[in-house]
Parts: sequence; structure tokens; C-alpha cells
Amino acid sequence: GAVVSQHPSRVICKSGTSVKIECRSLDFQATTMFWYRQFPKQSLMLMATSNEGSKATYEQGVEKDKFLINHASLTLSTLTVTSAHPEDSSFYICSARVRLASQETQYFGPGTRLLVL
Amino acid sequence: GDSVTQMEGPVTLSEEAFLTINCTYTATGYPSLFWYVQYPGEGLQLLLKATKADDKGSNKGFEATYRKETTSFHLEKGSVQVSDSAVYFCALSFSGGGGADGLTFGKGTHLIIQP
Repeated sequence: GAVVSQHPSRVICKSGTSVKIECRSLDFQATTMFWYRQFPKQSLMLMATSNEGSKATYEQGVEKDKFLINHASLTLSTLTVTSAHPEDSSFYICSARVRLASQETQYFGPGTRLLVL
Repeated sequence: GDSVTQMEGPVTLSEEAFLTINCTYTATGYPSLFWYVQYPGEGLQLLLKATKADDKGSNKGFEATYRKETTSFHLEKGSVQVSDSAVYFCALSFSGGGGADGLTFGKGTHLIIQP
């Protein structure tokens, strides 16, 4: 089946630094990837839709200057948390959209746990 | 806005027990409904889905029926196994059935099956 990887799996950083998270589709091309955020014991919340070669579409309430998304190729999308603060600590999950057997579906990465000190 | 509510866990059952995980939704219109499963250390995987009222999704012995009248999509399995231990997420989307747009998730239910 389709595999999506994320790197790093977990990261600890100091407040004020920027952190980049990569999302890769390993055996397929994805024109669209999604970024979600999950707080402990909470739902996954859609942050943005990342389209290859164009600007990302952010959900209401998500700061686009805070969470920079780049989808430069059909197999890679990156999320950069700029000037991270402790309240940005969370579990970030990406997914990639693929069309198989005339149906589109999403395949999810394993997630990246960010801890900002 | 759209939302999904599912029973909170953890849910602990013995092997071969009957499983029900409740899920209800609030949405404007008629969304597609999904159950995703997340095994330890892995990404979410689509377990089953239903795209319209009265549809039944099924996979790996799990079933869920889209009930418009009760806005529910409860997950059931007749006889659980230890390998079913995971976190289960109910979700909805207005993508037209493909799950191809952003999903609205419930909080997840941690299922623990004891031998």
C-alpha cells in the first residue's frame, strides 16, 4: 500500500527557534497533502491543504506566517513552525491524497511530536 | 461547524468479546463517514467508510452503518482479537466519498484487548 513518512518523528527545540517537519510519499506522487495537528486527548485538527506548485490553503484560525508550508515536489511537503513557542508543542500529522482504482483516499504519516521548551 | 463525537476510552475488552464504539456527527448536509485506525507507532489507516445513508462499510470483521436519522456511524465487531488493540478515529468529509479533502475527526477511542 501507499506509504507516507515523516521526519523527524520527534523534536525538542528551544523557544524562538524554527523547526522544519518533512512529509514524504514514498511510493507514489501526491499533488495534495494535508497537515493536521493533534493535542493530547483531542481530535486531529486540519491546519492546511498543501498543493504542489501553489500556495497552501490554511484553515480558519491557523496563522500562515507561523506555519509555513512548502510543497515543492510531488513527493515532499514541509511544515516549518517559525519562532516556536511552548504553546506550539503538539503532534503534527501529514497525509497525502492519492487516486487508486478510481477512488481518491488519504494516506497518513506516523506523525511528528514537537516539544518546545 | 461540523463535528464528530465518539465515546472516550480507553475501552478494555477480553478477546472474542463484542465491540461497539459509538460515533455521532453534526454537519450541514450529508457527509461521507469514515473510521480510521492507528496501531502503535504507525500512521492512521482507513478502516472503512460509507458515503450515503444506510450504506454499510466493512473491513477486517469491522462494520459500521451510516444512520442519517440518528446521525451516527457506530463501529462494531463480533469477536475482537488482541491484534485489534489500537486507537480508532471516526471522521467525516464532504469530498464526495473519496476522503480526498480535509477530514473532521473525533477525539479517538483507545481500544485495549486482553488475552
